[in-house]
Amino acid sequence: ETGVTQSPTHLIKTRGQQVTLRCSSQSGHNTVSWYQQALGQGPQFIFQYYREEENGRGNFPPRFSGLQFPNYSSELNVNALELDDSALYLCASSSEATAYNEQFFGPGTRLTVL
Amino acid sequence: AQKVTQAQTEISVVEKEDVTLDCVYETRDTTYYLFWYKQPPSGELVFLIRRNSFDEQNEISGRYSWNFQKSTSSFNFTITASQVVDSAVYFCALSGGSSNTGKLIFGQGTTLQVKP
Repeated sequence: ETGVTQSPTHLIKTRGQQVTLRCSSQSGHNTVSWYQQALGQGPQFIFQYYREEENGRGNFPPRFSGLQFPNYSSELNVNALELDDSALYLCASSSEATAYNEQFFGPGTRLTVL
Repeated sequence: AQKVTQAQTEISVVEKEDVTLDCVYETRDTTYYLFWYKQPPSGELVFLIRRNSFDEQNEISGRYSWNFQKSTSSFNFTITASQVVDSAVYFCALSGGSSNTGKLIFGQGTTLQVKP
């Protein structure tokens, strides 16, 4: 069983640029959630994708957008990067989009915005 | 609104000591789930336990134990005979609600340092 993988591991961008982060869900999982974790903080929910549709969104502006593909992998896109976007971005997959289902996390992508 | 509070920012203990990590939550939902995750320096969140709001039975798994008390809205985590490998950031999280998306609300985390 392959776990959740994310790419790239690290990324450095400058203000105003755009970035795409990728996540491959665990085998058999149809739900992907994205979280932002600023340094010294707990992860904050960005949004969730279930069977290729957005299924819930946290308090993040529209410049944070996402996609889920037929194989249930997912992308997180951030436009017009700001310094405060510097964080660890975590992807989690689960077998269904319910509060009960355990979420399995990937190792994260560390984004630095200069 | 849902909220999770982990009042202890950092805890330092010597190996073999017992340590308890506190977690207090707020929710208006009658059905909800509580989780604990461990985050080692590598960054990946590791699932430790899930509890539903209807099951207040305490749980023990090896050196780990959890105490869930709805009366005080607390879900505390105890490590018995701590080891250096237990050093990590520990997060308590809550999910539930009418949307039932599985969105996790995390606390701020408690950094545990176990010294040899």
